[in-house]
Amino acid sequence: DGGITQSPKYLFRKEGQNVTLSCEQNLNHDAMYWYRQDPGQGLRLIYYSQIVNDFQKGDIAEGYSVSREKKESFPLTVTSAQKNPTAFYLCATSGTNSYEQYFGPGTRLTVT
Amino acid sequence: EDKVVQSPLSLVVHEGDTVTLNCSYEVTNFRSLLWYKQEKKAPTFLFMLTSSGIEKKSGRLSSILDKKELFSILNITATQTGDSAVYLCAVEAGTYKYIFGTGTRLKVLA
Repeated sequence: DGGITQSPKYLFRKEGQNVTLSCEQNLNHDAMYWYRQDPGQGLRLIYYSQIVNDFQKGDIAEGYSVSREKKESFPLTVTSAQKNPTAFYLCATSGTNSYEQYFGPGTRLTVT
Repeated sequence: EDKVVQSPLSLVVHEGDTVTLNCSYEVTNFRSLLWYKQEKKAPTFLFMLTSSGIEKKSGRLSSILDKKELFSILNITATQTGDSAVYLCAVEAGTYKYIFGTGTRLKVLA
């Protein structure tokens, strides 16, 4: 069953705690992305990675960190420096010869 | 600054109606325009458009791109309650760079 998995589906954390969101893919896609979606706003790019051991900041990278140690995995850490972390987080991938992005089911993070 | 604007922000129609969703863009390096449907979680791909004037069609959905006027429309004919969703427009504005609009929330009433 090919696709993108994100875990957990829902995550609750206290303010000041770091939290890591998982994204795994078995599509053999090189590029992976993390987006944040807030009500009434479009998807905003946090980080993307074109290849293993390389990643680039998106438009709203402050307070987030990522790693890309394996092609299949692109975890996102929401640090305590992120001022407003409560949001819906979507992971996506794209292949070399395709403009289309494939999205995971998302993780809804609530920080109180 | 690259931007994608969708209109209307939300729309309520009755089953059987036809709807037209709009997406306009201003980007310095246009590569493609994509439409997605987002029901509750993951956006699912609908269409990718790269050339002006060529309609893409899938069942009751169709879309067309105008690269001169910098916009695209998504048409849904004979709407059904299952069409209720947020429809997202995105423009690929460079390698690995996708700019998303805020989406149009469509609600179809039975």
